[in-house]
Amino acid sequence: EDQVTQSPEALRLQEGESSSLNCSYTVSGLRGLFWYRQDPGKGPEFLFTLYSAGEEKEKERLKATLTKKESFLHITAPKPEDSATYLCAVLNTGKLIFGQGTTLQVKP
Amino acid sequence: SAVISQKPSRDICQRGTSLTIQCQVDSQVTMMFWYRQQPGQSLTLIATANQGSEATYESGFVIDKFPISRPNLTFSTLTVSNMSPEDSSIYLCSVGRQGDSEAFFGQGTRLTVV
Repeated sequence: EDQVTQSPEALRLQEGESSSLNCSYTVSGLRGLFWYRQDPGKGPEFLFTLYSAGEEKEKERLKATLTKKESFLHITAPKPEDSATYLCAVLNTGKLIFGQGTTLQVKP
Repeated sequence: SAVISQKPSRDICQRGTSLTIQCQVDSQVTMMFWYRQQPGQSLTLIATANQGSEATYESGFVIDKFPISRPNLTFSTLTVSNMSPEDSSIYLCSVGRQGDSEAFFGQGTRLTVV
């Protein structure tokens, strides 16, 4: 059965304190791994898609990496506006299967 | 990116009634999906909306409860039928294009059933 697990569930950081969020997955045929940001009361905002092990993508303070079993979302020198829930999802047979998300709080 | 408009953005409904949620995209898309996000939970796929044919439902979701229409490549509706408080959730429309390189979401419909 396809499964996506994110850790930690919640993360509190001080402004400027870099860290990483983890997304581990088991899927029969990975067609892509997606990262989203979700603010309270809003729909998920697309961040990245990764397709193969070793691939990396960056956007501002965020960098996503992918291995054969997991993905990391690295946050460098976060700011309070980076506070949100970060969702990871795998694409298989046209469907996105989501993890439970990591809620990030960055304190000034 | 695709611009997705969902209506209504929120509603409070009486149990036993039905609500139809609309999803409009600013360009033609291959794939349209409907997701549910229960309070404090992640997203669960309800069904794939197929243009010109019946929707494909995931395990645990049935057409009588969640009828879906997709009359063209830019529009779909999801109806939540005979609602109960357990249906209180955020319902999200998602779209993708051929090649699956990106998948975008609408802002969601926050439904409260009382």
